[in-house]
Amino acid sequence: DSGVTQTPKHLITATGQRVTLRCSPRSGDLSVYWYQQSLDQGLQFLIQYYNGEERAKGNILERFSAQQFPDLHSELNLSSLELGDSALYFCASSPATGKINTGELFFGEGSRLTVL
Amino acid sequence: AQTVTQSQPEMSVQEAETVTLSCTYDTSESDYYLFWYKQPPSRQMILVIRQEAYKQQNATENRFSVNFQKAAKSFSLKISDSQLGDAAMYFCAYRRINAGGTSYGKLTFGQGTILTVHP
Repeated sequence: DSGVTQTPKHLITATGQRVTLRCSPRSGDLSVYWYQQSLDQGLQFLIQYYNGEERAKGNILERFSAQQFPDLHSELNLSSLELGDSALYFCASSPATGKINTGELFFGEGSRLTVL
Repeated sequence: AQTVTQSQPEMSVQEAETVTLSCTYDTSESDYYLFWYKQPPSRQMILVIRQEAYKQQNATENRFSVNFQKAAKSFSLKISDSQLGDAAMYFCAYRRINAGGTSYGKLTFGQGTILTVHP
């Protein structure tokens, strides 16, 4: 158990709809990262938050948005869903700088989104 | 931008044998981390081994070891005494460390290598 919690684990929805994926980082971790893994593909970085602020942005579509709340949980919002958005969405967290940090990211179990 | 390349989409090994997975990366940074993550059919991302770029000694974790060649920007993973439970997708990943070591960037992943272990 990595300590990172993602909900829901599975989600099936229709094209054009909007969904929200939720992530609770490990206790004490300030950084949250979102990744997308399409079928048999590598992990594509979407966005990073650090203590509530956007820190880095990757290949995130304009239809997607994210935020990190004061309690440090994060949500990834996917709207106007298309078939191609079907993927496994991972959230990962890492400790704040200055703390004991081994450099790795700790991953949740992912949210599998299926768009029909 | 940093890139990570895994040139072997698939590899196979006999149980109890040794297999090496290849990874190369491109960066202009001098300080960074390299990782191998394992993704079994459950899809959970599991850290296998990490290497700090400033360390010349190759990292080892039980049956897993790396061959880190900084000048060549190569980071291969050797799995000894392969077990059926080693069957998974393996991802090589890079993470830079900002100047002063005060912050870290995102993980950049390779495309992965599917490892099959034959009994």
